[in-house]
Amino acid sequence: ETGVTQTPRHLVMGMTNKKSLKCEQHLGHNAMYWYKQSAKKPLELMFVYNFKEQTENNSVPSRFSPECPNSSHLFLHLHTLQPEDSALYLCASSLREAGANVLTFGAGSRLTVL
Amino acid sequence: GQQLNQSPQSMFIQEGEDVSMNCTSSSIFNTWLWYKQDPGEGPVLLIALYKAGELTSNGRLTAQFGITRKDSFLNISASIPSDVGIYFCAGHLLIIQGAQKLVFGQGTRLTINP
Repeated sequence: ETGVTQTPRHLVMGMTNKKSLKCEQHLGHNAMYWYKQSAKKPLELMFVYNFKEQTENNSVPSRFSPECPNSSHLFLHLHTLQPEDSALYLCASSLREAGANVLTFGAGSRLTVL
Repeated sequence: GQQLNQSPQSMFIQEGEDVSMNCTSSSIFNTWLWYKQDPGEGPVLLIALYKAGELTSNGRLTAQFGITRKDSFLNISASIPSDVGIYFCAGHLLIIQGAQKLVFGQGTRLTINP
């Protein structure tokens, strides 16, 4: 148990479906992140939320829509995805006031787009 | 630019052997982090380094923050089967006015033959 819980762990969806990924942390952290992990690529930062405010969007297509209702919960809403969006989506959290911004990751949601 | 070059990309070793991997960059980093990712899981922090020249151990793992602040290495001594996984380096770049950016290496995939 890492303190960051992601659901579902596996998701298969068609290109016309709408689904959501959920992330929850009970570490008292104030920043939350979505990363995309594709095979043979470095981790790609997608979104950053600091105190529920989105502070970074790394040119992510609008078919990915994040939501952060509070500092403990983060969602990634998915709609009209493409097969190349199939990947492991990792949520992470951190305490931004710390001298070093050390991220704690969840186990990830493995997404397959048919 | 700010890319981290991690090497080797993969390693195939015998159980009991020592392992060494490193990350280099043309940019200066404030901190270095080493993560391990087991199959089907998210990355887990192994070691965090905060000062140039710092040498830190965690059991059979040893990591160092390079004097130039542009590199770091991770050593694993007497490898065991549970060391199998992907190892990522990550570093914090100071951007402006205290803002930091976390950059990840491409990962080193470790395979151990019993």
